[in-house]
Amino acid sequence: QLQLQESGPGLVKPSETLSLTCTVSGDSITRTSHYWGWVRQPPGKGLEWIGSIYYGGNTYSDPPLKSRVTISVDTSKNQFSLRLSSVTAADTAVYYCATVAGWVTRWGQGTLVTVSS
Amino acid sequence: EIVLTQSPGTLSLSPGERVTLSCRASQSVNSNYLAWYQQRPGQTPRLLIYGASSKATGIPDRFIGSGSGTDFSLTISRLEPEDFAVYYCQQYGTSPSITFGQGTRLEIK
Repeated sequence: QLQLQESGPGLVKPSETLSLTCTVSGDSITRTSHYWGWVRQPPGKGLEWIGSIYYGGNTYSDPPLKSRVTISVDTSKNQFSLRLSSVTAADTAVYYCATVAGWVTRWGQGTLVTVSS
Repeated sequence: EIVLTQSPGTLSLSPGERVTLSCRASQSVNSNYLAWYQQRPGQTPRLLIYGASSKATGIPDRFIGSGSGTDFSLTISRLEPEDFAVYYCQQYGTSPSITFGQGTRLEIK
């Protein structure tokens, strides 16, 4: 069964770059039926789509975040990654990796990233 | 970018009652590609409905999705204690770009 697991620092300083990795198990990241995506949820707030990538490399990002977001795939490690640059306190959130086939078909457990000095 | 507006923000109801949650899109959602999720405290979101009205696997019959174009709704015919949670709509008519509504919190009265 497909499982997703986020990993990365739980604390990032303002103006630095947030980096997270999602490890995929139980399926190949080259699967063509869906995208690999990132969704975040600030504490006590709603869900926000960050962006998605197809294993071939095409990426799509939420317009307000697009200039700061980089999503990439490492097929050799069956992982995909998120980099969010120039972070501020407003980027503090639980970050989920997910599979997206239109709707979100599977979620990682989420990882809290706090932006603070 | 399609903006989804959910209403009301919070609802206070009792078990056994019927409730309808609203999700309005800023422009027509292509092919009614609209999904609904339930999120309980401390849990990841759970898919309830996709394609505006199709139930996801294992979702009870009391959850009913409907609507088209710009107006969609999720009805819970008879609230059970475990239904008190936050509900989100999400459009994927512009997939792979997607958007979520801001959520409706359903709380026990």
